[in-house]
This record gives sequence, C-alpha cells and structure tokens, in this order.
Amino acid sequence: DQQVKQNSPSLSVQEGRISILNCDYTNSMFDYFLWYKKYPAEGPTFLISISSIKDKNEDGRFTVFLNKSAKHLSLHIVPSQPGDSAVYFCAGHSGGGADGLTFGKGTHLIIQP
Amino acid sequence: DVKVTQSSRYLVKRTGEKVFLECVQDMDHENMFWYRQDPGLGLRLIYFSYDVKMKEKGDIPEGYSVSREKKERFSLILESASTNQTSMYLCASTHSARGEKLFFGSGTQLSVL
Repeated sequence: DQQVKQNSPSLSVQEGRISILNCDYTNSMFDYFLWYKKYPAEGPTFLISISSIKDKNEDGRFTVFLNKSAKHLSLHIVPSQPGDSAVYFCAGHSGGGADGLTFGKGTHLIIQP
Repeated sequence: DVKVTQSSRYLVKRTGEKVFLECVQDMDHENMFWYRQDPGLGLRLIYFSYDVKMKEKGDIPEGYSVSREKKERFSLILESASTNQTSMYLCASTHSARGEKLFFGSGTQLSVL
C-alpha cells in the first residue's frame, strides 16, 4: 500500500521557469509533510515542510501547497536554477514518533539551460 | 556544521558474509535511523533507535539487525548478506521527536555478489 505517491519519476524544466513537483497521499492521519532533496552520492537534505493545518508554506524560492480535500501537495520552485537538479522526495508523517515518516519514490528534476 | 558520517562510501561483499555498516553523528541526537534506497522504491525504514541500547523495527527489518551501544553510533548488521540486499544504505539522525529535519549521511552503496 503506497501511502505517498510521486507519480512522475522525472521532470524536465527550463532554467528560470517554474518547477512544480506533485505528491499525492492516501493516509488521512498524516499531520505534516516534508520535502527532501537528494544529489547523487549524497544523503537527502531537508528542504521545506508544511503542517496539515496549513495550506501554504514559503521559504525563498520554494513554496509548498497542501490541498487536504484532494490529498495532494505540490512543491513549487521559482525560478528554477541549475543547482535545483536533484531527486526530490515527498514524505508524510503520522504517529507520535520520529519513525513515522513515509517517503514517496522520488521525482528526478532536471533543469535545462 | 552538523554531521552524520557513514564509514564506507562503497562496499562489495560476498553472499553469506556478515556485514557491518557504521554510522556516527556529532549532534547529540537521540533518534537514529537506517534506511535503504532502491530505484523506483524510494526510502524504506529498516530500523531505528530512540536511545542507547534501544532499537525498534522499521518497515523492512528482515535480514538485518542493529546495535546502539553509544548515543552517537548506530550500526546496521547484515547477518548473512544476500544479493537482494544490494542497495544504497542511508543513516539519519534527528533531535526532533516528530521526525522533522532528518539529517542524513552520504550513504553506503553496498553490492553483494
């Protein structure tokens, strides 16, 4: 049962344009969501998070939108830069502990010059 | 700067060997985790630990064990390596009881021949 789905394995965007990465979930008990970014040969790094009681969180070029009724969240990157080329993982958290993260399969974002 | 260090970047082992993957963090975090990352499968939790001497099974613990004798060190053990354990192994830690902002190591790419 895949509770967090990232249906696009890869996404190609031109430099300077907006990148939109999508994530769908099925678990209504998720209380917050996170996005992680991963470069090849490195571990993932935390990018941005959003509580389930909010619908938007912004941090510089990165904005995450949450639509609870649709069980959908998206990460917007504006403007896209070459250094944004990476794999992005969406994760949902449920339960009381730090072990409650469920990750999606990831989307490989490629920023083209 | 916070750091999670995994002892080996690449490891090649033979089927049936006992394998130790070591992870050390310098942030005094209580919570430590072992994940594996496989193409098309995302990040899957193997084991985690909330404290010294404490360990809990994650989603895919079969074929693995762990050891946490000191707060800063969390070891993953493959008792008898098999080819289906060929994977990227990622160690992570966090002070957050809710699992926000996991700090990951660079990963160990293990090949079992």
